[in-house]
Amino acid sequence: DGGITQSPKYLFRKEGQNVTLSCEQNLNHDAMYWYRQDPGQGLRLIYYSQIVNDFQKGDIAEGYSVSREKKESFPLTVTSAQKNPTAFYLCASSIVGQQETQYFGPGTRLLVL
Amino acid sequence: QQQVKQSPQSLIVQKGGIPIINCAYENTAFDYFPWYQQFPGKGPALLIAIRPDVSEKKEGRFTISFNKSAKQFSLHIMDSQPGDSATYFCAAPSHSNYQLIWGAGTKLIIKP
Repeated sequence: DGGITQSPKYLFRKEGQNVTLSCEQNLNHDAMYWYRQDPGQGLRLIYYSQIVNDFQKGDIAEGYSVSREKKESFPLTVTSAQKNPTAFYLCASSIVGQQETQYFGPGTRLLVL
Repeated sequence: QQQVKQSPQSLIVQKGGIPIINCAYENTAFDYFPWYQQFPGKGPALLIAIRPDVSEKKEGRFTISFNKSAKQFSLHIMDSQPGDSATYFCAAPSHSNYQLIWGAGTKLIIKP
């Protein structure tokens, strides 16, 4: 079965801690995206990547970092600089140039202790 | 110019009714208009999409109407069911930066 997996489903962060959210896809897509969704709100782009070892900031990149060492994987780190990290984080992938058709993972809900 | 404006923010319809969600855009370079459906606690999924060279597209109970001159498009759900209760997003692809420009979303509730 092709798709996108995100883990964990729930993640708890302590004050001053960095946490990493996992995103893996086996759709053979080159493009991958990270979105943040706050309750009752739309999708805001954090980072995206069109190819391995390259990525671009989205609208709300401050306090976040990513890496793209493998085509299948695009982990997101929520750093201690992100003062309000509580949100639902969604990872997606697409064929490059076909960003209108994105496939989403099930999401990770990040909560602050 | 890169925005997609979506309305209403929320919508409650009785079962069997026809909810209509509207989106408007400014950028005439947009060339594809997808709609995504998101159930609570899940990731969005592509529902239906239209290109600007057609005025209407139907897939099952879901229809997109497109008005190129007005730069507006809308989603209609025929014979709506409680299982259609979800948040719906319209979007348009930006080819200048490979992003998808999202509408703000419409939370739809279908009452039994």
